[in-house]
Amino acid sequence: AQSVTQLGSHVSVSEGALVLLRCNYSSSVPPYLFWYVQYPNQGLQLLLKYTSAATLVKGINGFEAEFKKSETSFHLTKPSAHMSDAAEYFCAVSENSGYALNFGKGTSLLVTP
Amino acid sequence: EAGVAQSPRYKIIEKRQSVAFWCNPISGHATLYWYQQILGQGPKLLIQFQNNGVVDDSQLPKDRFSAERLKGVDSTLKIQPAKLEDSAVYLCASSLTSGSTDTQYFGPGTRLTVL
Repeated sequence: AQSVTQLGSHVSVSEGALVLLRCNYSSSVPPYLFWYVQYPNQGLQLLLKYTSAATLVKGINGFEAEFKKSETSFHLTKPSAHMSDAAEYFCAVSENSGYALNFGKGTSLLVTP
Repeated sequence: EAGVAQSPRYKIIEKRQSVAFWCNPISGHATLYWYQQILGQGPKLLIQFQNNGVVDDSQLPKDRFSAERLKGVDSTLKIQPAKLEDSAVYLCASSLTSGSTDTQYFGPGTRLTVL
């Protein structure tokens, strides 16, 4: 089964600093990869997804992620953090057939003034 | 466009009691999912429906959990009897189809506390 590992359960950055959230995947076939954000007491919202087209994927709210097959990584970045970015971020992977999302454990992003 | 609706938002019960959650997916979405999110973990798929048929229920504890999607629209998830370890947020999601790249839209979840 495919899986993802998110490195760092908590990440703290200053407002205006670079955001980097790490995700590594395990897969024997080309994966479909996703990043979701979850604000307190809300459901998950899709930030971006990789579907084997361009390796650099741009999402909402200024986030982007780069698929690197050689490193089995799909890290999420944003050049300049905003206070409103504070939330829980989940990386997820799905297999080619069907659509069962396997989520990582999540990374809590804290943005300090 | 209305999103995925779930009710109730919060539920507190004692162990061995039963509980039911309701989900109304986005109109026209054929695929519906129930996920369990335990505190500090990512969501875990419990069951996936395609219209009113079950696609995947391999991780559903069938001795106590049941789910149905009558008429291929609304869905209910039931736990009977509940255990302490069932305390979690239960998320419902829907997608237009079951394609691997289709976006899943999530509801706000039902937070269940079992005492």
